[in-house]
Amino acid sequence: QVQLQESGPGLVKSSGTLSLTCAVSGDSITINKWWGWVRQPPGKGLEWIAETLHSGTTHYNPSLRSRVTISLDKSKNQFFLNLNSVTSADTAQYYCASRWYDNPYGMDVWGQGTTVTVSS
Amino acid sequence: DIQLTQSPSFLSASVGDRVTITCRASQGISTYLAWYQQKPGKVPKLLIYAASTLQSGFPSRFSGSGSGTEFTLTISSLQPEDFATYHCQQLDSYPLTFGGGTKVEIK
Repeated sequence: QVQLQESGPGLVKSSGTLSLTCAVSGDSITINKWWGWVRQPPGKGLEWIAETLHSGTTHYNPSLRSRVTISLDKSKNQFFLNLNSVTSADTAQYYCASRWYDNPYGMDVWGQGTTVTVSS
Repeated sequence: DIQLTQSPSFLSASVGDRVTITCRASQGISTYLAWYQQKPGKVPKLLIYAASTLQSGFPSRFSGSGSGTEFTLTISSLQPEDFATYHCQQLDSYPLTFGGGTKVEIK
């Protein structure tokens, strides 16, 4: 069973870049899953950010597209999120999550989440 | 983008009550809808997928139905451990989107 674990700085300065890592364990990142990121601002709902396949195919939320990059490193079995030009609106709990490629069944595996605060 | 509207956004219910939450999509999404349960301070968990298939590990008092633009999540007899926020998500097209969430609290 795949497990995911996020890591990264909990505090990012306004206008800086938020960089997060999701470590995949229990299986290879080259299996047929979408690897993605979801965030949740304090007291608010969930927002899908982006997802990628091991082939390099990516999809982004248009609302964040100009600031976001998702990538992966097969050798490390990890994938990454970079969000630049951050503001206080980017303060949130960030989750990495995965779903199977060959059916739209939902995100069945989630990391524990990491809190990111944007400071001025 | 496909908008998902959940209703109600908050509901107060008693143990043993039958609870129904609705998720309406701004355009047809077939049965490409998932429901998640999120307890306070915890990670969302996939509860139902393909609109009506119960994820392994969840009790049968949870059920989902619907297709096209209207979907429901029903808890047949609310239990103390069911008090949580429930989110719907469409997986029909990008960007993937979530509903605003429904918080179920104890009356």
